[in-house]
Amino acid sequence: QQPVQSPQAVILREGEDAVINCSSSKALYSVHWYRQKHGEAPVFLMILLKGGEQMRHEKISASFNEKKQQSSLYLTASQLSYSGTYFCGTQGGSEKLVFGKGTKLTVNP
Amino acid sequence: DAGVTQSPTHLIKTRGQQVTLRCSPKSGHDTVSWYQQALGQGPQFIFQYYEEEERQRGNFPDRFSGHQFPNYSSELNVNALLLGDSALYLCASSFSGLVWRGSYNSPLHFGNGTRLTVT
Repeated sequence: QQPVQSPQAVILREGEDAVINCSSSKALYSVHWYRQKHGEAPVFLMILLKGGEQMRHEKISASFNEKKQQSSLYLTASQLSYSGTYFCGTQGGSEKLVFGKGTKLTVNP
Repeated sequence: DAGVTQSPTHLIKTRGQQVTLRCSPKSGHDTVSWYQQALGQGPQFIFQYYEEEERQRGNFPDRFSGHQFPNYSSELNVNALLLGDSALYLCASSFSGLVWRGSYNSPLHFGNGTRLTVT
């Protein structure tokens, strides 16, 4: 039931773009995205609900393809502050949110 | 506006002992979820409390139990500690009544966690 994230790690230079993917083997009700910096709590970025709406948070956007049970997080013109580990969390109709193993993003100057 | 607060921040226990972790949710939130995060892994769902009852439970043994109080704060208890219980324990609060684009689906607000080390 745990969603699968890819890639496991990404290294970028400031200003470059990145895509993080999240896929599930079961039908999804919603997908959450969180970012966790080293030694800190995960911070909410956005929620995507059934319907395929694309959401935006600053220069970070995401999409949800419910037919494929996949979500993708798009980081455009990355900034140093984007560094951290990104987690997707999926809900399959119950209340609990199940997280993937995370994608570590490093943005270098 | 205080966010989610957890105590203690760090704890060292010996195998076989028992531990209690505490969480105060963000003001206005009524639901508390507990997660275990091992080093380098994503948070693993332990259970969720709403209206003082356990509403959902993940794949954790009965050694893990919890409680929610009338003021929505919560405790996580772990009995008979094992070395494998060493992890960061995260508390996350949310508001059950939030309607997000027509669906009840509220963002989680996490506390900074309690780092538990079992020796």
